[in-house]
Amino acid sequence: QVQLVESGGGVVQPGRSLRLSCAASGFTFNSYDMHWVRQAPGRGLEWVAVISYDGSNKDYADSVKGRFTISRDNSKNMVHLLMNSLSSEDTAVYFCSRSDIVVVPAATECLDSWGQGTLVTVSS
Amino acid sequence: DIQMTQSPSSLSASVGDRVTITCRASQSIRSSLNWYQQKPGKAPKLLIYAASSLQSGVPSRFSGSGSGTDFSLTISSLQPEDSATYYCQQSYSIPPITFGLGTRLEIK
Repeated sequence: QVQLVESGGGVVQPGRSLRLSCAASGFTFNSYDMHWVRQAPGRGLEWVAVISYDGSNKDYADSVKGRFTISRDNSKNMVHLLMNSLSSEDTAVYFCSRSDIVVVPAATECLDSWGQGTLVTVSS
Repeated sequence: DIQMTQSPSSLSASVGDRVTITCRASQSIRSSLNWYQQKPGKAPKLLIYAASSLQSGVPSRFSGSGSGTDFSLTISSLQPEDSATYYCQQSYSIPPITFGLGTRLEIK
C-alpha cells in the first residue's frame, strides 16, 4: 500500500534553515508528481510546493518562493523540502502528498495519498 | 489565484441527518474540484475527485455535485465517524492549488 513518511521537523530559530524529507513506498515513485502542503496550528490547508515526476518542473506558493526549495531523489524514493529564512509564519505541520492526475470523467489533479505530517515550529 | 469559499464554516447535525456543504469558486473551474476529510491530528483524506467521483474505499453516503463555480458535498445519512473538517480544493488553474477554509462538522 502507498506509504508516505515525513521527517525532519522540529524547533528552529527565526532566520535559520530546516530540511524536511518524505520517504515514499508502495508505488512507482518516479511516475508521480509530489507536493508539500502545510497547516498552521488551528488553520486550514495551504499548498506549498510541487515537483514533477522527473524533477524537471517545480512550482511554489508565493509565500515561500525564493526561500523554499523542493527536490527529489528517484533512486531513493525521497522528496525533500529545504526551508531557508524561516519565520514564525512558517510554523505548521508539513504534509507530503502524492498527486494523481485524472482525466475521466473530468480533468483534475487531486492529492490521493498523504503522509502523517511533521511539525515545524519557528521560535526563538 | 482562484479563491474557494466554503459554507457554512461550521455546522452541527445529528446521526442520520442529511448534510450538505457548499463550495464556490471565484471563477469557473469546470469540474476540477476535489473534497477532503480531515480528522483532528490526522492527514487529510481524499473523498471526492472531479466534483462527483467517489474515491475508492469511501462510503457511498458521501457524494459530490456541481460544475463551473458552485459545488456541494453531501452526506446522505450522517454517522458518528463523519465528525471532521471538510475542505474543497481546485486544480483548474494551477499553480497554486487552492483550498477552501474548511467546514467543521460536529455530531450532536
